[in-house]
Amino acid sequence: KAGVTQTPRYLIKTRGQQVTLSCSPISGHRSVSWYQQTPGQGLQFLFEYFSETQRNKGNFPGRFSGRQFSNSRSEMNVSTLELGDSALYLCASSLVPDKNNEQFFGPGTRLTVL
Amino acid sequence: QKEVEQNSGPLSVPEGAIASLNCTYSDRVSQSFFWYRQYSGKSPELIMSIYSNGDKEDGRFTAQLNKASQYVSLLIRDSQPSDSATYLCAVNRVTGGGNKLTFGTGTQLKVEL
Repeated sequence: KAGVTQTPRYLIKTRGQQVTLSCSPISGHRSVSWYQQTPGQGLQFLFEYFSETQRNKGNFPGRFSGRQFSNSRSEMNVSTLELGDSALYLCASSLVPDKNNEQFFGPGTRLTVL
Repeated sequence: QKEVEQNSGPLSVPEGAIASLNCTYSDRVSQSFFWYRQYSGKSPELIMSIYSNGDKEDGRFTAQLNKASQYVSLLIRDSQPSDSATYLCAVNRVTGGGNKLTFGTGTQLKVEL
């Protein structure tokens, strides 16, 4: 069974631009969560999606948004990029958003903001 | 106080020894607990999940949970150089109708020949 896929793997953008990252979950998984990983802050929760609905959101500004499609694929968007948005963005999928859900991570998208 | 705390290490153990990794969490309503392994430049890989007090064994790995002490640990028996990685403790709780997985900053493990 194929794992979580994320595209693109690497991105270089300049301040003020916007970016869209894509995530395809493991086949049959219907819940997708997004995380930001930086050396200083570690892994931080961005959002959780299930059935095309955002179920939970972390403490990030409104410039960070996301959505989920009917096939469970998800995208996240960051507008008006700042230097501090440079990070590894990770998507994780799980079968359903159960409290015991095991989340499996994709390879990540490395975003560099210049 | 951080929600999930881990000693950053590095924790150095000789090959064949037992590595003991610890994690404490602050929110008593946390419901499920996970250990991830992350190699440098790679994404986290789930290695253990534990939901109730006690021990859970899977191969060379044993996870231990003590909800009263708000403590989770991971033991790696017969440590191998390939176990050298950063180990992330993650704690899940349901909040606002959804799940929120909170990670510690990770413990770097070095297994030396």
